[in-house]
Amino acid sequence: ELKVEQNPLFLSMQEGKNYTIYCNYSTTSDRLYWYRQDPGKSLESLFVLLSNGAVKQEGRLMASLDTKARLSTLHITAAVHDLSATYFCAPSSSYNTDKLIFGTGTRLQVFP
Amino acid sequence: GAVVSQHPSRVICKSGTSVKIECRSLDFQATTMFWYRQFPKQSLMLMATSNEGSKATYEQGVEKDKFLINHASLTLSTLTVTSAHPEDSSFYICSARDRGRPSGNTIYFGEGSWLTVV
Repeated sequence: ELKVEQNPLFLSMQEGKNYTIYCNYSTTSDRLYWYRQDPGKSLESLFVLLSNGAVKQEGRLMASLDTKARLSTLHITAAVHDLSATYFCAPSSSYNTDKLIFGTGTRLQVFP
Repeated sequence: GAVVSQHPSRVICKSGTSVKIECRSLDFQATTMFWYRQFPKQSLMLMATSNEGSKATYEQGVEKDKFLINHASLTLSTLTVTSAHPEDSSFYICSARDRGRPSGNTIYFGEGSWLTVV
């Protein structure tokens, strides 16, 4: 059974600082997704990582995937307040790549 | 615009009644859709896989008689919460993948449906 852990669970950081969110998962997965969720809203797709060593960047966010270590990271560069949200990683099931198992989530709060 | 649409976005029902939530894929066909539940300040928990033209596959611990899933067409899956109780109050979200899009690996989520049982 695929289990997914994220850390930290909560992250309070100052604007302009850098930080990394970690996502560990327990069994083999072909792909991994990162989503953002604002309070009371659904999920916004950020990244899809399809292979070992994949790295994707969009604005101040960069995601990477190491399938051998079963680890993905989401790096935040020079944080701004607009990045405040909850971030989820979700590797896909090995039986069905559209079936996602979500991590615990990391609630990010960026303050001035 | 939205790729996957849910309705209603918010619903309040009385304890003991049933409520239906719809999930539609817009402009694409989805043979498989997924239903998740999210309690406040928690993660998303996969409830079931909705399969077009056949029975849904439920995750361990999810009562299939309580959460009825029907996927009668290639663009519509419905989740019916039967004999709802206050503990069923939650945010229900569906997902599907549009394999025909250039970003064909992206899995899209509906806007979600807030269910409150009083």
